[in-house]
Amino acid sequence: DTEVTQTPKHLVMGMTNKKSLKCEQHMGHRAMYWYKQKAKKPPELMFVYSYEKLSINESVPSRFSPECPNSSLLNLHLHALQPEDSALYLCASSPGRTGSTEAFFGQGTRLTVV
Amino acid sequence: DAKTTQPPSMDCAEGRAANLPCNHSTISGNEYVYWYRQIHSQGPQYIIHGLKNNETNEMASLIITEDRKSSTLILPHATLRDTAVYYCIVRVAKIPGYSTLTFGKGTMLLVSP
Repeated sequence: DTEVTQTPKHLVMGMTNKKSLKCEQHMGHRAMYWYKQKAKKPPELMFVYSYEKLSINESVPSRFSPECPNSSLLNLHLHALQPEDSALYLCASSPGRTGSTEAFFGQGTRLTVV
Repeated sequence: DAKTTQPPSMDCAEGRAANLPCNHSTISGNEYVYWYRQIHSQGPQYIIHGLKNNETNEMASLIITEDRKSSTLILPHATLRDTAVYYCIVRVAKIPGYSTLTFGKGTMLLVSP
């Protein structure tokens, strides 16, 4: 199983809503990532979890709150988002070893904030 | 991580080889060259990576110059399904436990019948 599964695939939310994006992998990977991709732009790193601990927060606004309940799951809690937060949110995982390792990406959640 | 330069777009006829160049003239000795692609509205897909030697897998070949300042991704027989944005990424595992990817603008490869 080399899949990273993201749910939901599409999400429309109002600026006062609270929602969560979910990501799951069963490859035994110990590093998990959230990326954000705006239309016609490359993906940009948001957060990195390594061994269930938050290792990198790329100065992401607090309305985005990541959570890693266990080594297979990664959540992104959303609250009070702005329309400019509309984007494709990508989850990825990698083994967590040093050296040459590839990351596997999910298909993303297309988020629209209205 | 070293920066990369790729042409913004390339065309290729179906069935022909697609050769995608990448310049990474500031690459360090411990940095790997990775290639990913992103088909429209999907997540990026890992293709191949290498350090010094040329590499080949079921998807593609990676040719790295001897000075490591540039590389070429080769899709030997391009199909319409290979139409995608191709990203060349140079990275090193800085901290044990994870390694991040910094995406550049990539090359939009259009494969035509």
